[in-house]
Amino acid sequence: AQTVTQSQPEMSVQEAETVTLSCTYDTSESDYYLFWYKQPPSRQMILVIRQEAYKQQNATENRFSVNFQKAAKSFSLKISDSQLGDAAMYFCAYRAGTYKYIFGTGTRLKVLA
Amino acid sequence: GAVVSQHPSWVICKSGTSVKIECRSLDFQATTMFWYRQFPKQSLMLMATSNEGSKATYEQGVEKDKFLINHASLTLSTLTVTSAHPEDSSFYICSARVSSGANVLTFGAGSRLTVL
Repeated sequence: AQTVTQSQPEMSVQEAETVTLSCTYDTSESDYYLFWYKQPPSRQMILVIRQEAYKQQNATENRFSVNFQKAAKSFSLKISDSQLGDAAMYFCAYRAGTYKYIFGTGTRLKVLA
Repeated sequence: GAVVSQHPSWVICKSGTSVKIECRSLDFQATTMFWYRQFPKQSLMLMATSNEGSKATYEQGVEKDKFLINHASLTLSTLTVTSAHPEDSSFYICSARVSSGANVLTFGAGSRLTVL
């Protein structure tokens, strides 16, 4: 069965600094997608970034980038120049074949002014 | 971009009553919608997959007679919590994928259910 593990329940980062959130997953599939979603206090899930497993190049969206290590089944999120608005719960998610997503347990990110 | 509207955003009901939550895709057609449940400070747990024009597919351990799902059109799926009890209190989130085949889901803002 596919699983997604986020080993950091909580992380803190100073404003303008860089932080990396970890995510590992387990799957026997070769074709799949990985996502990072942000859930602010409003509880609205917001897509931050996505990565197709067949692509070797790491995805980047402005200040957000991933380090995708397919062999190691690792998918970390790097947030550069952290802003107060980045404070939220971050969920790593996996999807293969159907549109069933499997979410990790989440990492609460605190941004310190 | 694709927008999913969920209503109501919060609801309080008495034990034993039924509550309906609506999930609408506002600017796109959604052949498939998903219903999640999120307990406080926990992750999202997939409850069921809602397919337009057919029966929903429930995840293991989810009571289909307790959580009725109807997906009558390409823009509306409903979740009805029947004979609600305090343990059904939770945050329910729906999501939808664009039928054109986009590889991401769009989420509603969620509905907080409190059963007294």
